[in-house]
Amino acid sequence: DAKTTQPTSMDCAEGRAANLPCNHSTISGNEYVYWYRQIHSQGPQYIIHGLKNNETNEMASLIITEDRKSSTLILPHATLRDTAVYYCIVRGADSSYKLIFGSGTRLLVRP
Amino acid sequence: EAEVAQSPRYKITEKSQAVAFWCDPISGHATLYWYRQILGQGPELLVQFQDESVVDDSQLPKDRFSAERLKGVDSTLKIQPAELGDSAMYLCASSLDSANEKLFFGSGTQLSVL
Repeated sequence: DAKTTQPTSMDCAEGRAANLPCNHSTISGNEYVYWYRQIHSQGPQYIIHGLKNNETNEMASLIITEDRKSSTLILPHATLRDTAVYYCIVRGADSSYKLIFGSGTRLLVRP
Repeated sequence: EAEVAQSPRYKITEKSQAVAFWCDPISGHATLYWYRQILGQGPELLVQFQDESVVDDSQLPKDRFSAERLKGVDSTLKIQPAELGDSAMYLCASSLDSANEKLFFGSGTQLSVL
């Protein structure tokens, strides 16, 4: 079962930052937070992941709260091509490496 | 950048027929996954291979679904007989090994059962 809660949908203006929240209040100490996105008619694409420190790569930033019960994915300058479903996933670092998807957040970037 | 290849891209079949999907993972990737995605939902894991061995098929409906990865490279997912409720996107993904954090997904096979 998915261990995360995300809003069903969000929108933001092109060029502005998109901040996508995720609640994972039952996360365990050895579980990572992963973000994937799925553009229409394509397979999911890895974005970023983290354990407890904030992370940044060429696609996005991941901010994890100190208690690790929630996180935010930030797309600093959203473009129309960022319109997609974004999945926040909690995944163990032990033998149970399954990636279990919830329903995600549908992000619409407006021109 | 290397990609996970899947074929066919689309498949239309009639109820009770057999159908098969093929996946070629990124070269060198030991772990291969098959997911099913019903419209409006997130992908659901059906089966996970480590090389040629099945490590998790707990969500695979084994009365009609089968999966194999005989030489530990490419993989086939079969449904026999197909049912109306099997209409979905079937996604294949691979990773270097089961501990690797990044899964690479193919574009999927869209199955319609009539």
